[in-house]
Amino acid sequence: EAQVTQNPRYLITVTGKKLTVTCSQNMNHEYMSWYRQDPGLGLRQIYYSMNVEVTDKGDVPEGYKVSRKEKRNFPLILESPSPNQTSLYFCASSPSPPSYNEQFFGPGTRLTVL
Amino acid sequence: GENVEQHPSTLSVQEGDSAVIKCTYSDSASNYFPWYKQELGKRPQLIIDIRSNVGEKKDQRIAVTLNKTAKHFSLHITETQPEDSAVYFCAASILTSLSKTSYDKVIFGPGTSLSVIP
Repeated sequence: EAQVTQNPRYLITVTGKKLTVTCSQNMNHEYMSWYRQDPGLGLRQIYYSMNVEVTDKGDVPEGYKVSRKEKRNFPLILESPSPNQTSLYFCASSPSPPSYNEQFFGPGTRLTVL
Repeated sequence: GENVEQHPSTLSVQEGDSAVIKCTYSDSASNYFPWYKQELGKRPQLIIDIRSNVGEKKDQRIAVTLNKTAKHFSLHITETQPEDSAVYFCAASILTSLSKTSYDKVIFGPGTSLSVIP
């Protein structure tokens, strides 16, 4: 089944404790993104990757890191989480840039930073 | 910077009535406009999209219209059903070139929470 998976789905952590949210897609898509969803603000792009080893900042990259060592995986890293990073996070992939076609979203990761 | 506005933020309709959600965008170069539906606790999923060379597109009970001159586009849902209750996001493509780097993405509107009352 073609899909985007994320882990964990739910996470409660404390300020400053490094964490990684994994994202994997099995559709051989080149383009992958991370978004955060906050009430009234829609989906805001954190980072994106156009291909292996090619990543760049989105609109709200502060406090986040990413890597793209393999085509299928695009982990999101919070080196020192803070309460303002409490949010719902979505990974998405598409065969080409999302300005051309549909993005496929993962199930979401709800993160709470205390 | 570029942005996408969306109205209304909440919308309640009676089952069987029509619902209309409107979006405006700022980048005149935008040429792809997808709409995503997000049911409660679920992931966003594409329901319809339109490109700038088309003024209207329909898919059964949903339709999208685009006015490039005014830089706005709308989602129309006819004969609404309870399963149409969800948050709907519009989006517009952005293509930016900075020195030697170009990147393209979509900017999402803040969302409309649609409730269809049986």
